[in-house]
Amino acid sequence: SQTIHQWPATLVQPVGSPLSLECTVEGTSNPNLYWYRQAAGRGLQLLFYSVGIGQISSEVPQNLSASRPQDRQFILSSKKLLLSDSGFYLCAWRDYPGNEQFFGPGTRLTVL
Amino acid sequence: AQSVTQLDSQVPVFEEAPVELRCNYSSSVSVYLFWYVQYPNQGLQLLLKYLSGSTLVESINGFEAEFNKSQTSFHLRKPSVHISDTAEYFCAVRYRDNYGQNFVFGPGTRLSVLP
Repeated sequence: SQTIHQWPATLVQPVGSPLSLECTVEGTSNPNLYWYRQAAGRGLQLLFYSVGIGQISSEVPQNLSASRPQDRQFILSSKKLLLSDSGFYLCAWRDYPGNEQFFGPGTRLTVL
Repeated sequence: AQSVTQLDSQVPVFEEAPVELRCNYSSSVSVYLFWYVQYPNQGLQLLLKYLSGSTLVESINGFEAEFNKSQTSFHLRKPSVHISDTAEYFCAVRYRDNYGQNFVFGPGTRLSVLP
């Protein structure tokens, strides 16, 4: 069966520090991968998605970036965090041509 | 652009009472529709989905949703809620773009079941 992992589970970082969140999927090949951010009291905002290694599509302009160095690995990064980057970050995957997305457990990021 | 509306940001309801969480989407093309549930500090879990066929879909824990094409709605209902149903519920629409098929999520409805 397929599983999706995210780490760390929680992170507290100062403003201006770098960021690296990792997401890995097991039990599937060539999945579509997604990064979402969920701010407090708000819905999900799609940040990036990837249909293959090295293929990244950005949905919103921001100081975040994403990379897919391996088929089942998706990384969310920032060189300098802003206060507004605080939130709950969710990674998701979908088989092609699968019908629904499956979500990871999330990473709670607090920028102070 | 596709959009999903969930008019109620919070819905408080007493235990064993019925509940309806509303979802409307904007689209003139065929869509796939989903309801996800999120418990505190967890990821989203698929509750139920409409892909085709019967417009009434059910989940294993008593929720159901009905696809209404003319009203572009996919409201979620449960005849009798439990304390354990307290969570945030997201409606989502799947659409196709140049890269494949991506999803649009509604802002969420926080369901609070009171004893």
